[in-house]
Amino acid sequence: GNSVTQMEGPVTLSEEAFLTINCTYTATGYPSLFWYVQYPGEGLQLLLKATKADDKGSNKGFEATYRKETTSFHLEKGSVQVSDSAVYFCAPFDGSNYKLTFGKGTLLTVNP
Amino acid sequence: DVKVTQSSRYLVKRTGEKVFLECVQDMDHENMFWYRQDPGLGLRLIYFSYDVKMKEKGDIPEGYSVSREKKERFSLILESASTNQTSMYLCASSLAGDTQYFGPGTRLTVL
Repeated sequence: GNSVTQMEGPVTLSEEAFLTINCTYTATGYPSLFWYVQYPGEGLQLLLKATKADDKGSNKGFEATYRKETTSFHLEKGSVQVSDSAVYFCAPFDGSNYKLTFGKGTLLTVNP
Repeated sequence: DVKVTQSSRYLVKRTGEKVFLECVQDMDHENMFWYRQDPGLGLRLIYFSYDVKMKEKGDIPEGYSVSREKKERFSLILESASTNQTSMYLCASSLAGDTQYFGPGTRLTVL
């Protein structure tokens, strides 16, 4: 099955700072890749996804590019806001068994 | 918008009790999932269902069972709750398995 390694948190940034959260995965084949976000007190929600190599997913100013050569899907944002404070999960999808494998999550705190 | 609801946000039960966690989705999705979320461990899949009355074990099914009698409803059952089942439980639904829509979670405490 798939596995995923995510940058350990917590990550603390000031507003308008640049954000990178690293994610690497191991998988047979070429899985679709996802980033989910969990705001305080809520369930997870889809942030962005990419389905094939070199695809870039983007949403709410966040971006991630599917890098087949390095099996990575790093999350970036050019200028974070306080409202981006949340836990971020990287997840490859295994189409052979319909399973998402979630990383352990990275807690991001953005201070004003 | 897809809506996934869970029966309780917070639940406190005693060791040995039978516990039912209910999840309902309103988008006619085929696939439904139960996860537990624990600090430092992320999300772990307990069970999933790809159709009515169909179920598959996830990564940590021990101590749990599930029921899916109707397409929109997926129940997680703790036959005899134990303290190590204290956790946040998240339900999700999906049309094709990849993009999953999550409920708000149930924080279960077993005393």
